[in-house]
Amino acid sequence: KAGVTQTPRYLIKTRGQQVTLSCSPISGHRSVSWYQQTPGQGLQFLFEYFSETQRNKGNFPGRFSGRQFSNSRSEMNVSTLELGDSALYLCASSLVGGPGDEQFFGPGTRLTVL
Amino acid sequence: GNSVTQMEGPVTLSEEAFLTINCTYTATGYPSLFWYVQYPGEGLQLLLKATKADDKGSNKGFEATYRKETTSFHLEKGSVQVSDSAVYFCALISNFGNEKLTFGTGTRLTIIP
Repeated sequence: KAGVTQTPRYLIKTRGQQVTLSCSPISGHRSVSWYQQTPGQGLQFLFEYFSETQRNKGNFPGRFSGRQFSNSRSEMNVSTLELGDSALYLCASSLVGGPGDEQFFGPGTRLTVL
Repeated sequence: GNSVTQMEGPVTLSEEAFLTINCTYTATGYPSLFWYVQYPGEGLQLLLKATKADDKGSNKGFEATYRKETTSFHLEKGSVQVSDSAVYFCALISNFGNEKLTFGTGTRLTIIP
């Protein structure tokens, strides 16, 4: 069974631009969560999608948005990029996103904002 | 809200040494507890988990016991190897309401041959 895939693996953007990251969950998984990992803040939850609906949201500004498609693939978008958005963005999928449901992580997309 | 406090790193040990990485948590209700490992350049992998009090999670020689009385989930391994060098994250997920993983800050472990 293929794991969680994220594309692209690396991105370099400049301030003010926007970026879209993609995540393909494990086949059959309907919940997709996104996390931001930085050296200073650690791992922080961005949002979670289930059946094309945002079910949970972390404390990030509105510049961060996402969506999920009918095949459970998910995208996240960051508009008006800032230097502080440089981070590793991790996507995780699980069957239904319940409390005991194991989340499987992708390798991440490393975003660098210049 | 939920929080996880994890032993500060980095931790450097010699091969075959005993490992303990401390983790304590604050949460509403009865969370599920996890240890994730991140190898260089990779995403997170689930190492072990425990979903109720007194459960012991184990995998690849690592163990952690869910201690509700001390709100702890310390990671242990009796004899570490160079290949265990990685960053280890303690995490929890609440059993009701907001089902998201809350992570500790991570502990970087380096094993010297």
